[in-house]
Amino acid sequence: DGGITQSPKYLFRKEGQNVTLSCEQNLNHDAMYWYRQDPGQGLRLIYYSQIVNDFQKGDIAEGYSVSREKKESFPLTVTSAQKNPTAFYLCASTNSPGGLANEKLFFGSGTQLSVL
Amino acid sequence: DAKTTQPPSMDCAEGRAANLPCNHSTISGNEYVYWYRQIHSQGPQYIIHGLKNNETNEMASLIITEDRKSSTLILPHATLRDTAVYYCIVRGSSYNTDKLIFGTGTRLQVFP
Repeated sequence: DGGITQSPKYLFRKEGQNVTLSCEQNLNHDAMYWYRQDPGQGLRLIYYSQIVNDFQKGDIAEGYSVSREKKESFPLTVTSAQKNPTAFYLCASTNSPGGLANEKLFFGSGTQLSVL
Repeated sequence: DAKTTQPPSMDCAEGRAANLPCNHSTISGNEYVYWYRQIHSQGPQYIIHGLKNNETNEMASLIITEDRKSSTLILPHATLRDTAVYYCIVRGSSYNTDKLIFGTGTRLQVFP
């Protein structure tokens, strides 16, 4: 079945540690997104990528890094510079715009990151 | 900043229609209106989208005003399982602006 997979479902980070959240899609989508969600809050955009080997900062990119070496993969690294990383992280994908605004956004099931 | 505004919360009796409003006064001509919902600790789920005509599918109806500055999502017969946070977003076809910004959404509580 086609879809978008996030792993792990739960992740714990120690002080000063970098951790990487995985996001893989087999939908052949060009664009991928990372969002952060704090309890009771909406989704805030961290990074997005509309094509392989290219990505842009969202509204809260500080303390995070991404790569887009393959179309199907968009991993997010939460660095030690992110002082308040505890949150629910959501990955999403869709076909790129350029006349294709008529496309749904597909979300993964999320990763809950907590600090030890 | 989000390009849409929604009320933070709404209540609806089970079996009644739930009407969720969304304001998108700065929407441009090539931008679609999308609705998603998120049940606690899950990824958001697509509901419906439209450009300027009203739309209906098996989940909901979408009513877009003639000037396209606002829209309403209608769940015709709300059930307890419709309790969720509902997000309204706009999406355009410009490569440089397709950031897909979500606001805080409307928390819909359906009660028995």
